[in-house]
Amino acid sequence: DTGVSQNPRHKITKRGQNVTFRCDPISEHNRLYWYRQTLGQGPEFLTYFQNEAQLEKSRLLSDRFSAERPKGSFSTLEIQRTEQGDSAMYLCASSLRAGYTDTQYFGPGTRLTVL
Amino acid sequence: AQKITQTQPGMFVQEKEAVTLDCTYDTSDPSYGLFWYKQPSSGEMIFLIYQGSYDQQNATEGRYSLNFQKARKSANLVISASQLGDSAMYFCAMRGPQGAQKLVFGQGTRLTINP
Repeated sequence: DTGVSQNPRHKITKRGQNVTFRCDPISEHNRLYWYRQTLGQGPEFLTYFQNEAQLEKSRLLSDRFSAERPKGSFSTLEIQRTEQGDSAMYLCASSLRAGYTDTQYFGPGTRLTVL
Repeated sequence: AQKITQTQPGMFVQEKEAVTLDCTYDTSDPSYGLFWYKQPSSGEMIFLIYQGSYDQQNATEGRYSLNFQKARKSANLVISASQLGDSAMYFCAMRGPQGAQKLVFGQGTRLTINP
């Protein structure tokens, strides 16, 4: 049983460039989440999918951010016109909508540095 | 709004001793879930233990137990017989009632186990 995978693990980009991250959830997990974590803080929720439907978006997700889960499997998070404030760890998690706990299992994250 | 507070920025414990990490929460919802995650320096969030608001007994998972005091709105993590590999950041998180899937995290506690 493979866990959540994220690619790339590290991304360095220049201000103003676009970047895209990919998340592959645990197979058969129908819920997928994106969080952002800055240094010294706990993760903050960005958005959440159930199958291919994006059901909730945080106000943190500005117009420059877009997330997709086209076939209800993997997901991509794109940041357009990156800013230095976008530098953070981007974490993906997945869960199975069944049972009581609906525990979210996290991937290793993508660390973004904007120069 | 839901809020998690972890008041211990850092904890230092001798190997083999038990350690308690504090977590208090604030919510007006009667139904909620509480989670603890471990984040080693590698960055991945590792699920440790879950407690539901209606659970009658404190949750236990191996060396981890959760001291759930509902009236005080606290959900402290207890690690028995600490090991060097327990050194990491620990995050307490809360999920709201069904339909509100996002996790709200505290700021974390950095635990260091000394040999």
